[in-house]
Amino acid sequence: QKEVEQNSGPLSVPEGAIASLNCTYSDRGSQSFFWYRQYSGKSPELIMSIYSNGDKEDGRFTAQLNKASQYVSLLIRDSQPSDSATYLCALRSADRGSTLGRLYFGRGTQLTVWP
Amino acid sequence: AAGVIQSPRHLIKEKRETATLKCYPIPRHDTVYWYQQGPGQDPQFLISFYEKMQSDKGSIPDRFSAQQFSDYHSELNMSSLELGDSALYFCASSLGPSNTEAFFGQGTRLTVV
Repeated sequence: QKEVEQNSGPLSVPEGAIASLNCTYSDRGSQSFFWYRQYSGKSPELIMSIYSNGDKEDGRFTAQLNKASQYVSLLIRDSQPSDSATYLCALRSADRGSTLGRLYFGRGTQLTVWP
Repeated sequence: AAGVIQSPRHLIKEKRETATLKCYPIPRHDTVYWYQQGPGQDPQFLISFYEKMQSDKGSIPDRFSAQQFSDYHSELNMSSLELGDSALYFCASSLGPSNTEAFFGQGTRLTVV
């Protein structure tokens, strides 16, 4: 089982602040990491993917990956009320064989950005 | 850009009935995944297909079956429905099964009464 752990939250930040979401994983063989945003009753929406150590920035979002410490994080700068959602951390294993390609999800962190 | 299309969006069935959910992946995507998500739960992997062959199997009940067709669309068949099958069912697609991004469809909300 490729365990993915997220800080359970809920996380509440004021508008304009930085929201920090964290995720740790147990399988050192994991190679691909993703952050999905999910509004209540809606489907997961991919917002970031990261494959190598370091930072990856896309607009107000920055993903950070540290494979040695087995964690991946998502920073949301200048948080907006529309960012209020559940954020799911997901990874893909490098296993060859039957688990190839399967996405393993964390339980999600609920973020609320208040005006 | 074209996205993953799922149909129907909502479905109400009675216990012991059957249901068929359809998924049309993003054009050129050859890998399809099915997930089930109950209220307040993270998505649970059911099954996946790569190039029309089953590539992985998760916590899919024996009452469920799925396949991927020659045009890469996939169908999830659910029989002898139970109240506990009520959930959101998502399909995702990707180009290849590894190290690529997977995109989700809008989901089918199944309610079993």
